[in-house]
Amino acid sequence: GEDVEQSLFLSVREGDSSVINCTYTDSSSTYLYWYKQEPGAGLQLLTYIFSNMDMKQDQRLTVLLNKKDKHLSLRIADTQTGDSAIYFCAEDSSYKLIFGSGTRLLVRP
Amino acid sequence: DAGVIQSPRHEVTEMGQEVTLRCKPISGHDYLFWYRQTMMRGLELLIYFNNNVPIDDSGMPEDRFSAKMPNASFSTLKIQPSEPRDSAVYFCASGVPGDTQYFGPGTRLTVL
Repeated sequence: GEDVEQSLFLSVREGDSSVINCTYTDSSSTYLYWYKQEPGAGLQLLTYIFSNMDMKQDQRLTVLLNKKDKHLSLRIADTQTGDSAIYFCAEDSSYKLIFGSGTRLLVRP
Repeated sequence: DAGVIQSPRHEVTEMGQEVTLRCKPISGHDYLFWYRQTMMRGLELLIYFNNNVPIDDSGMPEDRFSAKMPNASFSTLKIQPSEPRDSAVYFCASGVPGDTQYFGPGTRLTVL
């Protein structure tokens, strides 16, 4: 069945790197996404990776994809307090997005 | 572009009342999605439309929920009668094939 799993919580110190992990189930997904949700707001697309790629870098963000293990990760370099939010990974399945439960990132000063 | 517009942003109603949530997708987007977010169940897809036609409504919880898209620039999600367990944040999103979905700010619904 469709199930995207993430750890619920991550706490890091400001300036450190954050790594948020996700496992997905649909090997036919074309794209895999990372969304950010700040308190009281909607979901904002952060980045995405095409399924035939292993890695994508976008400024402070690095996405790694291991298709064999169906594992996706998001690394945020030099994490800032403004990065505190909930991060969702999502896979596309027939143009529906299947979201994980979200990882709440807390950045400590 | 104004992005996806949802109204109202907040809605407080009493059990048994009818609730109508509204969404204006981004112009040119032919897919529209309705999601519900709660602490217990996370983000759930309720229904989505392609070119104003409902494609998959398997996520709609029960007959109390209905959604319409009378034209390309407007959709509604109606709950009648509303119940306290319907309290959640309801998101509308729109997109085109080959691109991601763009989310609105959400409507926070509280049913007392």
